[in-house]
Amino acid sequence: QQQVKQSPQSLIVQKGGISIINCAYENTAFDYFPWYQQFPGKGPALLIAIRPDVSEKKEGRFTISFNKSAKQFSLHIMDSQPGDSATYFCAASMMASGSRLTFGEGTQLTVNP
Amino acid sequence: ETGVTQTPRHLVMGMTNKKSLKCEQHLGHNAMYWYKQSAKKPLELMFVYNFKEQTENNSVPSRFSPECPNSSHLFLHLHTLQPEDSALYLCASSQGEGIEMGAFFGQGTRLTVV
Repeated sequence: QQQVKQSPQSLIVQKGGISIINCAYENTAFDYFPWYQQFPGKGPALLIAIRPDVSEKKEGRFTISFNKSAKQFSLHIMDSQPGDSATYFCAASMMASGSRLTFGEGTQLTVNP
Repeated sequence: ETGVTQTPRHLVMGMTNKKSLKCEQHLGHNAMYWYKQSAKKPLELMFVYNFKEQTENNSVPSRFSPECPNSSHLFLHLHTLQPEDSALYLCASSQGEGIEMGAFFGQGTRLTVV
């Protein structure tokens, strides 16, 4: 059962544009939603994370928007740069029960110069 | 460098071979993990170790055998693998057992089973 669905599978954006990646989850008990960034030949790295008590979290050019009622959350990359070209994974877990992260399938982002 | 080192980076093995993947973390973390990453699939958690004790085996076939001799080292012993086991195997570590407490991933071992 795919509990976290991520879209799109791939995304091409021009430099300076906004990249938007969406995720939807099914389990309403999830209470921690991180995003990971993975460059070719590297392991995933935690980029930004949000808890459901807030609707938005911003760190630099990266923003997570969270819609609890719709069970959706998204990553927005403002002023996208070629260096942002990577694969992005959303994930979800239930921190209270110490559950493991359930990952989305990933989005391959390409930012053209 | 993230402080989590995996060796080898690439491995090609036959289905009858026995090989081992190694992971070492220099971060003083207590928990270590093995993940499998296949193309166009979500990362799959395989094993979790906390203070050298295995706390989770996510229904992984017995041809994969983990070993954690101490909190800094984690091995994945491989034997009689199948071609569908070809994937990127990632090791991660975190301070607490919850990976959300700031997990660091290694660069992975690209395994090809022929």
